[in-house]
Amino acid sequence: DAGITQSPRHKVTETGTPVTLRCHQTENHRYMYWYRQDPGHGLRLIHYSYGVKDTDKGEVSDGYSVSRSKTEDFLLTLESATSSQTSVYFCAISEVIKGTDTQYFGPGTRLTVL
Amino acid sequence: GQQVMQIPQYQHVQEGEDFTTYCNSSTTLSNIQWYKQRPGGHPVFLIQLVKSGEVKKQKRLTFQFGEAKKNSSLHITATQTTDVGTYFCAGPGGSGNTGKLIFGQGTTLQVKP
Repeated sequence: DAGITQSPRHKVTETGTPVTLRCHQTENHRYMYWYRQDPGHGLRLIHYSYGVKDTDKGEVSDGYSVSRSKTEDFLLTLESATSSQTSVYFCAISEVIKGTDTQYFGPGTRLTVL
Repeated sequence: GQQVMQIPQYQHVQEGEDFTTYCNSSTTLSNIQWYKQRPGGHPVFLIQLVKSGEVKKQKRLTFQFGEAKKNSSLHITATQTTDVGTYFCAGPGGSGNTGKLIFGQGTTLQVKP
């Protein structure tokens, strides 16, 4: 599983509180991604990183920020959580296999915002 | 923007029946990838297709990439309960070498024993 861990695995929080999710990888991958998964929407990209301190927005970035101060950690922050951010969050890394970028996912974090 | 659509969203089959999910992209793709997510799990890479008209098989699973490289399909022959899960197709998204993927909404397969 490409050495990807996510923490916490489950979290329940209240509307308006800040939340930070952590993705940790051990294999020095350059590219890292944060997705959210909701029924009927598949996997939607929130933010991604292409190196330390290099990040960019995905298709559903509003209400989220990210940071990557070292290669192995990619943090996703909800500054003020809302109920619409209740979701399952997956972190992924990208690895080139036979010339094509293939993504490997972490185990996911189930976030509930009450 | 670029979109990847999958149909059907859900499929219930009796064990032993065949199953097919279809994937269509709004743009031509350099490659297409398929992932499987078991209930409660995370997406796991299955296969990638690169060539126009390419067909690849993994045991009972057959993957096809359309001639125009805008559509793909996954066919499972004689489904088993172990095939239960959600199947996603994904194509490269955005410009530049970022490794970004655009995922379809997924097809969730239920198999009745």
